[in-house]
Amino acid sequence: DVKVTQSSRYLVKRTGEKVFLECVQDMDHENMFWYRQDPGLGLRLIYFSYDVKMKEKGDIPEGYSVSREKKERFSLILESASTNQTSMYLCASGTGTSNQPQHFGDGTRLSIL
Amino acid sequence: AQRVTQPEKLLSVFKGAPVELKCNYSYSGSPELFWYVQYSRQRLQLLLRHISRESIKGFTADLNKGETSFHLKKPFAQEEDSAMYYCALRPLNFNKFYFGSGTKLNVKP
Repeated sequence: DVKVTQSSRYLVKRTGEKVFLECVQDMDHENMFWYRQDPGLGLRLIYFSYDVKMKEKGDIPEGYSVSREKKERFSLILESASTNQTSMYLCASGTGTSNQPQHFGDGTRLSIL
Repeated sequence: AQRVTQPEKLLSVFKGAPVELKCNYSYSGSPELFWYVQYSRQRLQLLLRHISRESIKGFTADLNKGETSFHLKKPFAQEEDSAMYYCALRPLNFNKFYFGSGTKLNVKP
């Protein structure tokens, strides 16, 4: 069974801090994704990666960056956290094979004070 | 551009009633379509995909290319079906998924 593990379920940080959210998958998937989930807005893609050291911007990349140094790990970085980045963050992984789904982690609920 | 629309934010039905969660998409090619479900305090998980043409937990979804829809249906809703449901599209040969804004299903006793 695919396991996508996010390092924290809950995180509280202060405005201006640099925040790291970590995600690890154990299925050797090529693709990894970071979304934020907000009520009424659904899932919005922040960044994704289709290979080590490769990244592509999603729909809302502003204020975020990512790092993928190893295939199994995909990190989301908030360079200078702001209150409007308070949200639920979901990591997902998947293969490039047709009709294969993405697999999600439990999510990190991030609060920026 | 690819887009997935779920017109209902909230759908409330009584236990035993039929339920239909709507999903419309815009994509010019052959789409890969999925329904995901998120129960309270659980992770988002795959419910079903159009290629499988199977019934999962009593739910089915049929791809209607003419109407560009992939509605999720269940003939008799159960209280344990209460959850958030997301429709997702993956364009052919793309790595990216497009998600709808979600529909919260509330099944009342």
